[in-house]
Amino acid sequence: SQTIHQWPATLVQPVGSPLSLECTVEGTSNPNLYWYRQAAGRGLQLLFYSVGIGQISSEVPQNLSASRPQDRQFILSSKKLLLSDSGFYLCAWSTGGKEPQHFGDGTRLSIL
Amino acid sequence: QKEVEQNSGPLSVPEGAIASLNCTYSDRGSQSFFWYRQYSGKSPELIMFIYSNGDKEDGRFTAQLNKASQYVSLLIRDSQPSDSATYLCAVTEFGGYQKVTFGTGTKLQVIP
Repeated sequence: SQTIHQWPATLVQPVGSPLSLECTVEGTSNPNLYWYRQAAGRGLQLLFYSVGIGQISSEVPQNLSASRPQDRQFILSSKKLLLSDSGFYLCAWSTGGKEPQHFGDGTRLSIL
Repeated sequence: QKEVEQNSGPLSVPEGAIASLNCTYSDRGSQSFFWYRQYSGKSPELIMFIYSNGDKEDGRFTAQLNKASQYVSLLIRDSQPSDSATYLCAVTEFGGYQKVTFGTGTKLQVIP
């Protein structure tokens, strides 16, 4: 069966510091991968998606970037965090087409 | 802009009652429909999916889809306090990649 791992679970970072969040998927090949952000009391905002190694599409302009160095690894990064980057970051995968997306446990990011 | 609309709630139902959650979507080209349950502080968990008009039942859950009216609903029979959560409706269109639009969720409270 497929599993998705996301870490760390919580992170407290000062403004201006760098960020690296990692997500890996097991049990499937060539998944579609997604990064979402959920602000407190808000809906899910799609940040990035990837349909293959090295293929990244950004949905909204922002202070963040994403990379997919391996088939089942997806990384969310920032060079300098802003207060507005606080939120609940979720990685998800799917096989595409009609199939649903499945989420990791998420990373709660607080910027001080 | 494609939209998925849900009443934010809270929807309060007594234990043992039927909870009815509704969702409307704007894009007639939408092709698959999902319901996720999200407990406070946790990531969304897929509980139902439906692709065709009509009803789909899984245990205490029934998803209903009416493409002509562009609405999806989720019925929870014999509601339990453990069903108290936010329920997210998600709608997918796919062409070059699978893009999912999420509603902001309906908060359900099951009163013992």
